[in-house]
Amino acid sequence: KQEVTQIPAALSVPEGENLVLNCSFTDSAIYNLQWFRQDPGKGLTSLLLIQSSQREQTSGRLNASLDKSSGRSTLYIAASQPGDSATYLCAVNRGNRLAFGKGNQVVVIP
Amino acid sequence: NAGVTQTPKFQVLKTGQSMTLQCAQDMNHEYMSWYRQDPGMGLRLIHYSVGAGITDQGEVPNGYNVSRSTTEDFPLRLLSAAPSQTSVYFCASSYKWGVTYNSPLHFGNGTRLTVT
Repeated sequence: KQEVTQIPAALSVPEGENLVLNCSFTDSAIYNLQWFRQDPGKGLTSLLLIQSSQREQTSGRLNASLDKSSGRSTLYIAASQPGDSATYLCAVNRGNRLAFGKGNQVVVIP
Repeated sequence: NAGVTQTPKFQVLKTGQSMTLQCAQDMNHEYMSWYRQDPGMGLRLIHYSVGAGITDQGEVPNGYNVSRSTTEDFPLRLLSAAPSQTSVYFCASSYKWGVTYNSPLHFGNGTRLTVT
């Protein structure tokens, strides 16, 4: 069974600092990996999708890397802003379902 | 675009009652799925569908039924509600699914269900 881990569960950073969020997974035979953002009381919004053949994906201030051999992905958010405060979840796809991590709850302090 | 629409937003049921959670998408997505989100457990897949007329079980299907008669709609039925089904339920869809497709998953805003 695919296990997806995100540590730490919660973190706070001052505004302007770069955010680094880590995701690890136990089975490297994945098709893709997605990073999501969830705001309180809302659904999940897809931020980035990295295909298994890719090493990284970028969108604006967000950059996600993927290292299948070590079972790791990292989400970088440059120059964090208070609006980046949210829970960030990663999910790996090995077929007709995604396996989700439990998320990193991020607070950006003004 | 409306995206993925879930109704109702909130619901309170008594043990043993039945109800249907509605999910509709207007993006012509083939793949639709239902998740439940519980504190400390994360998101778990209940049922999914890869097209009209095709459904399959996920990780936690007991106590739930689904059907997919149209591409747009994927309702989730609770047959006899139990307190263990108190949760936040999310519907999600994707253009296609499978090994050769890499389409992001789009989520609705969820239904918060309490069973007393």
